[in-house]
Amino acid sequence: AQSVTQLDSQVPVFEEAPVELRCNYSSSVSVYLFWYVQYPNQGLQLLLKYLSGSTLVKGINGFEAEFNKSQTSFHLRKPSVHISDTAEYFCAVSDNDYKLSFGAGTTVTVRA
Amino acid sequence: GAGVSQSPSNKVTEKGKDVELRCDPISGHTALYWYRQSLGQGLEFLIYFQGNSAPDKSGLPSDRFSAERTGGSVSTLTIQRTQQEDSAVYLCASSLQGDGEQYFGPGTRLTVT
Repeated sequence: AQSVTQLDSQVPVFEEAPVELRCNYSSSVSVYLFWYVQYPNQGLQLLLKYLSGSTLVKGINGFEAEFNKSQTSFHLRKPSVHISDTAEYFCAVSDNDYKLSFGAGTTVTVRA
Repeated sequence: GAGVSQSPSNKVTEKGKDVELRCDPISGHTALYWYRQSLGQGLEFLIYFQGNSAPDKSGLPSDRFSAERTGGSVSTLTIQRTQQEDSAVYLCASSLQGDGEQYFGPGTRLTVT
């Protein structure tokens, strides 16, 4: 089974500053990679996904992530955050196209 | 179109009672998943349906947990003889067959007292 490590549990950041959320996974076999966001009192929403092809993936709301196979990483970045980006972010991995293994989550708090 | 819906949104039950949680997937989605989100365990996979069959039940934590899906649509997760450790948010997701993108419902928050 896959394991996913999100290296930061809490990330405070000022508005308009860049943010990077780190994610590493356990397996070097072919995997599908995802980032989900959970806004307060809401369900999970897909930000972006990597299935194959270009290692730089662009998602919604200005987020992007880079797949690095040699380092088994899939870090999420945004060059300039907004207050509305305050949420919990989950990295997820699947090696069989259905079962998602999630990281513990990173809480991003954006301050003015 | 409508997203994944779940009911009830909140459920408080006494220890030892049975509960049923319902999930309505997005129309046309053949795959359906249940996950559990709890403080101690994070987000855990419970069960996967493809149509009405469940090829992967490996995440169900005990035999008190069961799930069914009828008509390739609605799914019910049943927890018998609830325990306090069952308290969590139960999330349902659906996807088109095999495309890897899962759409999540808002969840059912279960509190066992």
